[in-house]
Amino acid sequence: AQSVTQPDIHITVSEGASLELRCNYSYGATPYLFWYVQSPGQGLQLLLKYFSGDTLVQGIKGFEAEFKRSQSSFNLRKPSVHWSDAAEYFCAVTVGNEKLTFGTGTRLTIIP
Amino acid sequence: EAGVAQSPRYKIIEKRQSVAFWCNPISGHATLYWYQQILGQGPKLLIQFQNNGVVDDSQLPKDRFSAERLKGVDSTLKIQPAKLEDSAVYLCASSLDREGEQYFGPGTRLTVT
Repeated sequence: AQSVTQPDIHITVSEGASLELRCNYSYGATPYLFWYVQSPGQGLQLLLKYFSGDTLVQGIKGFEAEFKRSQSSFNLRKPSVHWSDAAEYFCAVTVGNEKLTFGTGTRLTIIP
Repeated sequence: EAGVAQSPRYKIIEKRQSVAFWCNPISGHATLYWYQQILGQGPKLLIQFQNNGVVDDSQLPKDRFSAERLKGVDSTLKIQPAKLEDSAVYLCASSLDREGEQYFGPGTRLTVT
């Protein structure tokens, strides 16, 4: 069965510093990969997705992610975080019409 | 464009009571999803509808959970009777079709005491 691992439960970053959130998946075929953000009391918002093609994908709010097939990873990055980026971030995986499988999430705290 | 609407936003009930959640998807979206998000975990799909038909309910605890989407638009999710472990946020999402981007509602936070 497909699975998604987000090894970091909680990350604290200073405002203006760079950010990288890790995501690893386990699946035989190349899956479709997603990153979602969830602010307190809100639903999930799609940041970016990878289906095929260029392995570096750009998303909203200045985020990007890179698909690395050899490492089965899809890490999320941002060069300079803002206080408003504090939220929970979820990586998700699917193949074709199968259901989305989410990771357990990484909570991001921003300090001044 | 209006987003996915859910109500209520919060609900507190005692165990063994029943509860119902309502979802209104984005207009024109054929596919509707209900997810359960337990604290500290990612969302888990409970049931997926395509119009008014069920596509996947393999993770729905059918002895106590039920869901319907009678006219292919709004949907309700019911729990009867509730257990303590049902405490979670219940998220509704919709997409144009089964392969489309999913748009999530704000969720209903259920606390079972």
